[in-house]
Amino acid sequence: DAGITQSPRHKVTETGTPVTLRCHQTENHRYMYWYRQDPGHGLRLIHYSYGVKDTDKGEVSDGYSVSRSKTEDFLLTLESATSSQTSVYFCAISGGDRASTEAFFGQGTRLTVV
Amino acid sequence: AQRVTQPEKLLSVFKGAPVELKCNYSYSGSPELFWYVQYSRQRLQLLLRHISRESIKGFTADLNKGETSFHLKKPFAQEEDSAMYYCALGDNTDKLIFGTGTRLQVFP
Repeated sequence: DAGITQSPRHKVTETGTPVTLRCHQTENHRYMYWYRQDPGHGLRLIHYSYGVKDTDKGEVSDGYSVSRSKTEDFLLTLESATSSQTSVYFCAISGGDRASTEAFFGQGTRLTVV
Repeated sequence: AQRVTQPEKLLSVFKGAPVELKCNYSYSGSPELFWYVQYSRQRLQLLLRHISRESIKGFTADLNKGETSFHLKKPFAQEEDSAMYYCALGDNTDKLIFGTGTRLQVFP
């Protein structure tokens, strides 16, 4: 398995509080992604990064921000959590090899906003 | 716009029956297509990709550009195939776009 870990694995937080999820990789892969997984919606891209300090929005970026100050870490922040952000969040990495977009996934973070 | 469509949310079959999980895509360029699988309580993992033209765990998938499809097939389903399957499209900006997933249930 690719060296990719997410923390925390589970979190319960209250509406209106800030939350930060961390994704850490040991593979030196260029690309990192945050997805959310919801029943009926599959996996939806929130934000992604194509290098240190280089990030871009995905299809469901509202209410989320990201930062990547080091190659190995990609942080996802919910500035003010809402119940609609209750979900399972997956981080993924890819090597940026133009021959393939294959991605490797973390174990997921289950976030509950009450 | 790029899109991946998996029309079936749930597919239930008995052990030994053939399986076909459907995937259609919309993309104007030359697509790169994948199937990912997520077993219960595990992370998503790559099952196969069209450029490899390989068979993994008895599954195959053929890219049909005319029908813009990349259906996943297995001639004889096994109970351990029960999982969530996602079709994904890689575009030339290095993003992966996923379908909504199909849950495969294989009954004994």
